Amino acid sequence: TQLLEQSPQFLSIQEGENLTVYCNSSSVFSSLQWYRQEPGEGPVLLVTVVTGGEVKKLKRLTFQFGDARKDSSLHITAAQTGDTGLYLCAGLAGTASKLTFGTGTRLQVTL
Amino acid sequence: GAGVSQSPSNKVTEKGKDVELRCDPISGHTALYWYRQRLGQGLEFLIYFQGNSAPDKSGLPSDRFSAERTGESVSTLTIQRTQQEDSAVYLCASSLRRGVTEAFFGQGTRLTVV
Repeated sequence: TQLLEQSPQFLSIQEGENLTVYCNSSSVFSSLQWYRQEPGEGPVLLVTVVTGGEVKKLKRLTFQFGDARKDSSLHITAAQTGDTGLYLCAGLAGTASKLTFGTGTRLQVTL
Repeated sequence: GAGVSQSPSNKVTEKGKDVELRCDPISGHTALYWYRQRLGQGLEFLIYFQGNSAPDKSGLPSDRFSAERTGESVSTLTIQRTQQEDSAVYLCASSLRRGVTEAFFGQGTRLTVV
């Protein structure tokens, strides 16, 4: 069973602060995705990373895939209240495997 | 349809009753997932359908839970003899094919067992 542990579990910060969310596993993944879920909605894809060491930037969000493809991080610069939500990493162990979700990080950004 | 559609959006049922939840995936999507999300928690995998392959049922928590999918279209998740601990949001997602593709989620069915 591939397990994806996220840390921290909860994060409450003020607008303008920076933060990093981690997604770790003992298993190797062929690709890793990050989703954000807002209350009452299903998760929505933010990014997919497929190459070990890959870094992708999406405006104020920076995603990194570990060299060994076992871990990933999401860094948010100058957080805004609109970043509030549940952040989920999800990994694919192979092209024929199912998508396994992490434990989730709940982010609250206040003024 | 334009997205993944789930029905009903809310369901309140009495303990011991059976419930059936429906998911209409995006047309052409061969992969379909069911997840359970308890209040304030992450996503708990339940079952995965991929084309005509045998479904991966490894996440179903008990034999009270079952799911069917007709070809590459509608799926139903059935919970028999519901218990209060079954109360959660049940999310369905579909994706285009195997591999590195985006999973599109429905808005979920909020199940409350009283």
